[in-house]
Amino acid sequence: EDQVTQSPEALRLQEGESSSLNCSYTVSGLRGLFWYRQDPGKGPEFLFTLYSAGEEKEKERLKATLTKKESFLHITAPKPEDSATYLCAVSSMFSGGYNKLIFGAGTRLAVHP
Amino acid sequence: KAGVTQTPRYLIKTRGQQVTLSCSPISGHRSVSWYQQTPGQGLQFLFEYFSETQRNKGNFPGRFSGRQFSNSRSEMNVSTLELGDSALYLCASSLVRGGEDDEQFFGPGTRLTVL
Repeated sequence: EDQVTQSPEALRLQEGESSSLNCSYTVSGLRGLFWYRQDPGKGPEFLFTLYSAGEEKEKERLKATLTKKESFLHITAPKPEDSATYLCAVSSMFSGGYNKLIFGAGTRLAVHP
Repeated sequence: KAGVTQTPRYLIKTRGQQVTLSCSPISGHRSVSWYQQTPGQGLQFLFEYFSETQRNKGNFPGRFSGRQFSNSRSEMNVSTLELGDSALYLCASSLVRGGEDDEQFFGPGTRLTVL
């Protein structure tokens, strides 16, 4: 069964303190791995898509990387506005079709001044 | 470019009733997916529509159904509501290029409360 596990569940950082979020996945034929950010009471906001091991993508203070078993979301010198829940999702080549995302439970990030 | 819109934003229903939620995708996007988000189960895939056809379905009972119109707008319906159907229902749209997975862009969601 396809599965996504994110760790830690919650993370508290001081402003400027860099860290990484982990997303481990088990999927039959990875089609793509997606990172989203979700603020309270809002829909997830798309961040990155990664398709193959070794791929990396960056956006401002965020950098996502992918291996054959996991993905990392690195946050460099975070600011309070980076506080949110970060969600990881995968799509499988054998899930029965396109655009079916399997989500992890998310990591709640709190960045304090 | 306008984002994904969902109506209504909030809804309160009682057990046994039925409800219809609406989603308008980003202009030009032809795929619409629906997800249920609860504190206990997280985000779970309900179904996906493309060109008015359901292409994929998650593990939800038949009380959950949907449809897509020719202008790509989509609706989902839940019949015989149960307390456990209380959740944030999210709609996501994507462009669909060459059959590959595209980024899905989510709407703000409809918060359904079943009393």
